[in-house]
Amino acid sequence: TQLLEQSPQFLSIQEGENLTVYCNSSSVFSSLQWYRQEPGEGPVLLVTVVTGGEVKKLKRLTFQFGDARKDSSLHITAAQPGDTGLYLCAGGNRGNQFYFGTGTSLTVIP
Amino acid sequence: DTGVSQNPRHKITKRGQNVTFRCDPISEHNRLYWYRQTLGQGPEFLTYFQNEAQLEKSRLLSDRFSAERPKGSFSTLEIQRTEQGDSAMYLCASSRGAGGYTFGSGTRLTVV
Repeated sequence: TQLLEQSPQFLSIQEGENLTVYCNSSSVFSSLQWYRQEPGEGPVLLVTVVTGGEVKKLKRLTFQFGDARKDSSLHITAAQPGDTGLYLCAGGNRGNQFYFGTGTSLTVIP
Repeated sequence: DTGVSQNPRHKITKRGQNVTFRCDPISEHNRLYWYRQTLGQGPEFLTYFQNEAQLEKSRLLSDRFSAERPKGSFSTLEIQRTEQGDSAMYLCASSRGAGGYTFGSGTRLTVV
C-alpha cells in the first residue's frame, strides 16, 4: 500500500526552467526524506526534514515539509540535464521503515 | 567506506528455481533493510534487521521468502520456488539508528 502520492508522475522540461514536485499523504509522518534514483541504481538520499514547516536548501533544490507533516514539496531552480532522474519521497514514523511514494520521473532536455 | 554492496547485480532464473542475494552494509550501520521495487513504482518494504535480529517483516514477504543476517553483518535474501511475479529490483539499505538510508545498487531479478 502506497501511502504517499507524488505528482506529477512524469515531467519533461527544458534546461533552465524551474519545477516543483509534490508529495502528499493523509498520514502524518515524523520525518520525510527525498531521494533521487538513476536507472539501474539504488536511490540516493538528498535530504531529511523533521519539523513541520521546515525548509531546507541544497544548492538549486529547495525542500519544504508541510506544517501538518503530511506533505512535502521539492522545487528545482534552473534545472540542468544532470538533474534528470526519478525523485522519490519517503515518510517515516517512529517505527523502523519508510514508506515510499510512487516517484516523479524528471527529464531535463538540453 | 565502500558503501552498501549487493551481489549479484543481475540474476536470470527459471520459474521454480531458488535464488539467493547478498547484501554487505556499511560496517558501522546496525540497521539493514530489504526493499523490492518494480518498474514505475517506489520501493516497497520487505524486512528489517537491527543487528542480527529480524524485527519486522512485511506481509509482502510470503513463506517463499526468507532473510537472514548472521552475526549482524552481511544479510542474505532467499526466494524459493520463484514465480514470474517475483521479477523486480531487490534493494538493500543500511542506516545507523533511525537516520536516512544508504542504498546499494540493487539486484535485478528476472524470472523466465
